[in-house]
Amino acid sequence: QSALTQPASVSGSPGQSITISCTGTSSDYVSWYQQHPGKAPKLMIYDGSKRPSGVSNRFSGSKSGNTASLTISGLQAEDEADYYCCSYTSSSTWVFGGGSNLTVL
Amino acid sequence: QVQLQQWGAGLLKPSETLSLTCAVYGGSFSGYYWSWIRQPPGKGLEWIGEINHSGSTTYKSSLKSRVTISVDTSKNQFSLRLTSVTAADTAVYYCARGLGRGYSYGLPYYWGQGTLVTVSS
Repeated sequence: QSALTQPASVSGSPGQSITISCTGTSSDYVSWYQQHPGKAPKLMIYDGSKRPSGVSNRFSGSKSGNTASLTISGLQAEDEADYYCCSYTSSSTWVFGGGSNLTVL
Repeated sequence: QVQLQQWGAGLLKPSETLSLTCAVYGGSFSGYYWSWIRQPPGKGLEWIGEINHSGSTTYKSSLKSRVTISVDTSKNQFSLRLTSVTAADTAVYYCARGLGRGYSYGLPYYWGQGTLVTVSS
């Protein structure tokens, strides 16, 4: 299974927008998870750009070429967490990116 | 409200077999994919494998020789067995139910609370 590459860390100030990239996928349907320390991951984006019920519209997903992106607008302190991209592979398996730690300054 | 509750031994010796079970409460058991994912301390998520309600499985290729995921539909439970464990298998193990819609039908959506499994002599 191919690896998905994410930046190890990203940061932004409250109110700003940040974007986390995920490279190495040919799938149009990348998903994104948020994980706070000691907690199970929470699905934030699926099918590339769809939000599950209850997820803030400050979170959005997109894709260009083989790079998927998660954008968080109006950054809030509670957004500080680890974020993982996830993609379905040609081997019918799921693969996660290495994770990006978001710091809200 | 769908809830997943998992349990199993938390401390194993090298070469032993890891065994975890996940019980599903609320919602239908059939028609969904059921996955196991693990996370070594301080590291990222690793998908282990999945099973559907009819028992069809898919595993991560590097773990395939050691992994078995099974389902007991009569109890709304599914299980993970990982043989010949080593220290590299030390991780928090999560069970999860698939999203059940869209192109990401099997994508882990509802997650268990996680079980820390430590492999140490």
